[in-house]
Amino acid sequence: GAVVSQHPSRVICKSGTSVKIECRSLDFQATTMFWYRQFPKQSLMLMATSNEGSKATYEQGVEKDKFLINHASLTLSTLTVTSAHPEDSSFYICSARTGTGKYGYTFGSGTRLTVV
Amino acid sequence: GDSVTQMEGPVTLSEEAFLTINCTYTATGYPSLFWYVQYPGEGLQLLLKATKADDKGSNKGFEATYRKETTSFHLEKGSVQVSDSAVYFCALIDNTDKLIFGTGTRLQVFP
Repeated sequence: GAVVSQHPSRVICKSGTSVKIECRSLDFQATTMFWYRQFPKQSLMLMATSNEGSKATYEQGVEKDKFLINHASLTLSTLTVTSAHPEDSSFYICSARTGTGKYGYTFGSGTRLTVV
Repeated sequence: GDSVTQMEGPVTLSEEAFLTINCTYTATGYPSLFWYVQYPGEGLQLLLKATKADDKGSNKGFEATYRKETTSFHLEKGSVQVSDSAVYFCALIDNTDKLIFGTGTRLQVFP
């Protein structure tokens, strides 16, 4: 079946540095990918929708300059957390549409980001 | 906007116990409803779904019925196993085709 690989699974970085998270579709082409963020004991919140070859669509309240999304190919989308601060520490997860219709989503295993 | 509320965990059960994880939703119209499961170290996987009122989704012994009158989609399993230990997410698709998730409920099953 469709597999989405997300890397790294855990990362610790210093305040002020940038961190890149990769999301790859391994055996299918993903024209649309989604990035979510989860705070402790809260829902997975959609941050942005990433479309191959075009600018990402960000949800209200998400800082575009803080969370840079690039979807340069049909199998790779990246999320870069720029100038990270401790409040950016969270669980980030990506997903991709695997087909037509409303139900074909495949998720990565998530990235635990800790900013110290 | 649309939202999903599910019970906080962790839910701790002995093997073969009965499981219920409550989920209620708020939405305009009649959204499709889902349960996703996340096993340790893995991505979310679709467990079951229901697309209209009174539909019952089922998979791997899990069931959930779309109850329009109570706006609920509670997850049940008659006899849990240790291998069912995971985080379970209730979700809906809103009228813009976006997945809206609940907070997730961790299930821990002990032998």
